[in-house]
Amino acid sequence: GESVGLHLPTLSVQEGDNSIINCAYSNSASDYFIWYKQESGKGPQFIIDIRSNMDKRQGQRVTVLLNKTVKHLSLQIAATQPGDSAVYFCAENGGGGGADGLTFGKGTHLIIQP
Amino acid sequence: DGGITQSPKYLFRKEGQNVTLSCEQNLNHDAMYWYRQDPGQGLRLIYYSQIVNDFQKGDIAEGYSVSREKKESFPLTVTSAQKNPTAFYLCASSIGGAPDTQYFGPGTRLTVL
Repeated sequence: GESVGLHLPTLSVQEGDNSIINCAYSNSASDYFIWYKQESGKGPQFIIDIRSNMDKRQGQRVTVLLNKTVKHLSLQIAATQPGDSAVYFCAENGGGGGADGLTFGKGTHLIIQP
Repeated sequence: DGGITQSPKYLFRKEGQNVTLSCEQNLNHDAMYWYRQDPGQGLRLIYYSQIVNDFQKGDIAEGYSVSREKKESFPLTVTSAQKNPTAFYLCASSIGGAPDTQYFGPGTRLTVL
């Protein structure tokens, strides 16, 4: 079946460094992707999204890159801060119009070291 | 303030009891969703509703029931038939249509004693 997943379960970076979190997807019909941030004990927060007709989208300190050729999605966080510590996961809508929700990856736990 | 609220934040239940989790949104969203989150696993879809008075089963609907009598509300009942109900439950809503961003509530942690 189709799946969305992440390459690494845990990523540890120094405060102030840039972070890159990766996501692989296998559904070639996916046309919309979202990155969420989830802090411990809280609900996921929307960070940034990208449609399949784009390769790159930038937000405040975050950039999402989409490589449709290899079905790869990444989230770049610039100048990481302690508040960036959380689990980050990607989600895709499999091209089906969102009728039955999004497919979520399991997440990468980002740890910011002082 | 606009948003999605879930209550209670923590819920304890004895085995054999049904329990209802509340989800309310004032975003005027048509679609609402319930997910279950277990440690080390991704979100799994329980039920979703695209419009009032209509809902569909997700991937793990067994042991759960929902209703959608009002646009703003989508309560989830965890029945005694659910074999492993201890989990973190997340409600989400979206405008509806494609592409569709879902926005989540703060979650309810259910523990069965």
